Amino acid sequence: DAGVIQSPRHEVTEMGQEVTLRCKPISGHNSLFWYRQTMMRGLELLIYFNNNVPIDDSGMPEDRFSAKMPNASFSTLKIQPSEPRDSAVYFCASSFQRNRGEQYFGPGTRLTVT
Amino acid sequence: AQKVTQAQTEISVVEKEDVTLDCVYETRDTTYYLFWYKQPPSGELVFLIRRNSFDEQNEISGRYSWNFQKSTSSFNFTITASQVVDSAVYFCALSEAWGATNKLIFGTGTLLAVQP
Repeated sequence: DAGVIQSPRHEVTEMGQEVTLRCKPISGHNSLFWYRQTMMRGLELLIYFNNNVPIDDSGMPEDRFSAKMPNASFSTLKIQPSEPRDSAVYFCASSFQRNRGEQYFGPGTRLTVT
Repeated sequence: AQKVTQAQTEISVVEKEDVTLDCVYETRDTTYYLFWYKQPPSGELVFLIRRNSFDEQNEISGRYSWNFQKSTSSFNFTITASQVVDSAVYFCALSEAWGATNKLIFGTGTLLAVQP
């Protein structure tokens, strides 16, 4: 079975542009998580979904960030407008909710905002 | 509040040495899970182990072993006979066992460098 798939793997954009990150979770998993990793702040949970419903978005830094999960096999994280401080590696992870915390991570998207 | 502390920021060892990565956690829950994840230089995060707070038995998997001590709120990770391929950042994490959420609280990570 394929692991968590993220696209793009690298994204370079200019400040003010819209950025959309994509994630396909592992088939059968019903929880999906978006994380951001930076040197300064480490791994931060941005938002997570159970059964396609957002459960906790308290980690979303501000209104410029939004996430959707229209179905069990696809999620997006959008930043509009992007700022240089959004530069980070964004990870998507999925799990089967009953397997508490056993999350499987995608390869990440390295975002650079100039 | 839940918290995970990995006091060791960086550790450097020579190949074949044993190394222990420390993890101390805080939680008010009586039931919880503990985890270790590995992040090699390639960047992906790899799940290594999950431990239920009810189960304090130590676990061994090949060269890896984990020591869970509830009395000291610690969940330490030992690599025996380290190899260069073990070089990575290792994260300890905690999650609650019940309720609607299954979010992970991560420590800040320990960078392990294994020199040949």
